[in-house]
Amino acid sequence: DQQVKQNSPSLSVQEGRISILNCDYTNSMFDYFLWYKKYPAEGPTFLISISSIKDKNEDGRFTVFLNKSAKHLSLHIVPSQPGDSAVYFCAARNSGNTPLVFGKGTRLSVIA
Amino acid sequence: DAGVIQSPRHEVTEMGQEVTLRCKPISGHDYLFWYRQTMMRGLELLIYFNNNVPIDDSGMPEDRFSAKMPNASFSTLKIQPSEPRDSAVYFCASSFSGWDTQYFGPGTRLTVL
Repeated sequence: DQQVKQNSPSLSVQEGRISILNCDYTNSMFDYFLWYKKYPAEGPTFLISISSIKDKNEDGRFTVFLNKSAKHLSLHIVPSQPGDSAVYFCAARNSGNTPLVFGKGTRLSVIA
Repeated sequence: DAGVIQSPRHEVTEMGQEVTLRCKPISGHDYLFWYRQTMMRGLELLIYFNNNVPIDDSGMPEDRFSAKMPNASFSTLKIQPSEPRDSAVYFCASSFSGWDTQYFGPGTRLTVL
């Protein structure tokens, strides 16, 4: 049973437009959510996170939104740049000090 | 800091052979994680250590897989015997404490023929 789901394996967006990556989760005990970014031949790198006490966290061009009632979070990238082309992983954990649970990832392609 | 170091970066082996993957975590980090990435299953946690002690190995797929952390600066993931379905990218990650930010190594791409 997949607790963190990224239902879109891939997404293409034009440079300058908004990229929206979605993530759904099933475990209501999750209280902390993260996005990781992965370039080819590299390991994932931490991008942005959000605690369940917030519904929005912003860092430059990247904003994560959390809708707890819908068990849904999204990552917005505005404006999208070709360098944003990568695989984005959503991850979640609960307060019980258990490991992160990752989604399968969404491959974002930003077209110039 | 050099970050998490993994070796080898690429490994091609034949079915039945023993494979050993190596990881050096970031100095001072108390947690070390081994992950496997495949197209079908995404990023799966295999095992993690806290202060060199294995805490949860429930993600290890079979007895053919084993992991050790003899000291704070070194860990190995061993597959014996290897099978073609073990082909994947294996990542090592470490964190200072807690679970909010893990730092990943570049991964080892394993191909079992």
